[in-house]
Amino acid sequence: QLHLQESGPGLVKPSETLSLTCTVSGGSISSNTYYWAWIRQPPGQGLEWIGSIFHTGITFYKPSLKSRVIISVDTSRNQFSLNLISVTAADTAVYYCARELGGVIDWGYWGQGTLVAVSS
Amino acid sequence: QSALTQPRSVSGSPGQSVTISCTGTSSDVGTSNSVSWYQQPPGKVPKLIIYDVNKRPSGVPDRFSGSKSANTASLTISGLQADDEADYYCCSHAVTYVIFGGGTKLTVL
Repeated sequence: QLHLQESGPGLVKPSETLSLTCTVSGGSISSNTYYWAWIRQPPGQGLEWIGSIFHTGITFYKPSLKSRVIISVDTSRNQFSLNLISVTAADTAVYYCARELGGVIDWGYWGQGTLVAVSS
Repeated sequence: QSALTQPRSVSGSPGQSVTISCTGTSSDVGTSNSVSWYQQPPGKVPKLIIYDVNKRPSGVPDRFSGSKSANTASLTISGLQADDEADYYCCSHAVTYVIFGGGTKLTVL
């Protein structure tokens, strides 16, 4: 059974960098079929796709976040990571990592989510 | 790339059917075969209920169905049950990026 688990600081100061890691168990991140994604949800608001990565390092980012986001993959640790620079209070959200079922944007596997607050 | 447009709320009585619309543009919903829907009960993780416009993952009841016409995708839930009460989000692929709808709150009366 595939399991995804987000980890990282729950509090980040404004202008600093938000860094999260998603650890994958029960399956290999190096599968030739799936993209892995970061999706966030501000409190009381809707879902927002941040970006996706393939195990080879190919990435796609939300255009409005592209200048501040880096998603990377570490196949040796079966992990992928999110770095979001120059954060503001608007970046406060529950951050989810997810994996496709086997098609395109059919995210059938999700982590439990981790709340990251941006505050001084 | 603004969010796909969904009604903020819909409601229905147990046993009835409801349809949630998701309107995009010719750059996303209109040209994508990759439209998915997610169900998110309060305080829970989103769950995939429809992918590729009208396919259901294993374990999702056939009361949930999806369709698309032009720039609008739709989710229909028939035989409403109390535990269908949740937020529902559509999602579309748009060549090099992905866009979600703003979400619809379904209330079962």
